[in-house]
Amino acid sequence: DGGITQSPKYLFRKEGQNVTLSCEQNLNHDAMYWYRQDPGQGLRLIYYSQIVNDFQKGDIAEGYSVSREKKESFPLTVTSAQKNPTAFYLCASSTTGGTGNTIYFGEGSWLTVV
Amino acid sequence: AQSVTQLDSQVPVFEEAPVELRCNYSSSVSVYLFWYVQYPNQGLQLLLKYLSGSTLVKGINGFEAEFNKSQTSFHLRKPSVHISDTAEYFCAVSRYGGATNKLIFGTGTLLAVQP
Repeated sequence: DGGITQSPKYLFRKEGQNVTLSCEQNLNHDAMYWYRQDPGQGLRLIYYSQIVNDFQKGDIAEGYSVSREKKESFPLTVTSAQKNPTAFYLCASSTTGGTGNTIYFGEGSWLTVV
Repeated sequence: AQSVTQLDSQVPVFEEAPVELRCNYSSSVSVYLFWYVQYPNQGLQLLLKYLSGSTLVKGINGFEAEFNKSQTSFHLRKPSVHISDTAEYFCAVSRYGGATNKLIFGTGTLLAVQP
């Protein structure tokens, strides 16, 4: 089945450590996104990519990094510089070139800093 | 810039009763409007979207929404809810004609259906 796979579902990290969240899609979508979700704050855009080897900062990119070496993959690294990394992270993808294209989401990854 | 306001953080309702979840947006340009649903510990699923044309949009699971440009609203409605509709609902907006599909989300409304 086509979809977006995020792993791991749950991740614990010690303070000062970097951690990478995986996101793979087999929908043949050009655009991919990372959102962060905190209770009562909705979703906020971290990074997005419209094409391989190119990505743009979203609204809260500080303390995060991404790469887009393959069309189907868009991993997110939460660095030690991110001051409050405990959150639910959602990867998404969509087609480009049209208007009002639907954005499809993965199942999310919970990151807890201990 | 665009913004979305969902005034109700929680909406309790009895099973088989009607429900309306409110969404207002602010934008200086034309926008596209979306409603997504999120079940516990899951990703978001598109319920419906308004791009153009008829202001009444029908979506999945019996939901519908009406675009009101003069009131800058896009309220979500269902005539009779089920226990299985218990979830968080997010309204979102993207800029008309934008080069990307960047969505701006509201803070969400938790729909709690009680038997």
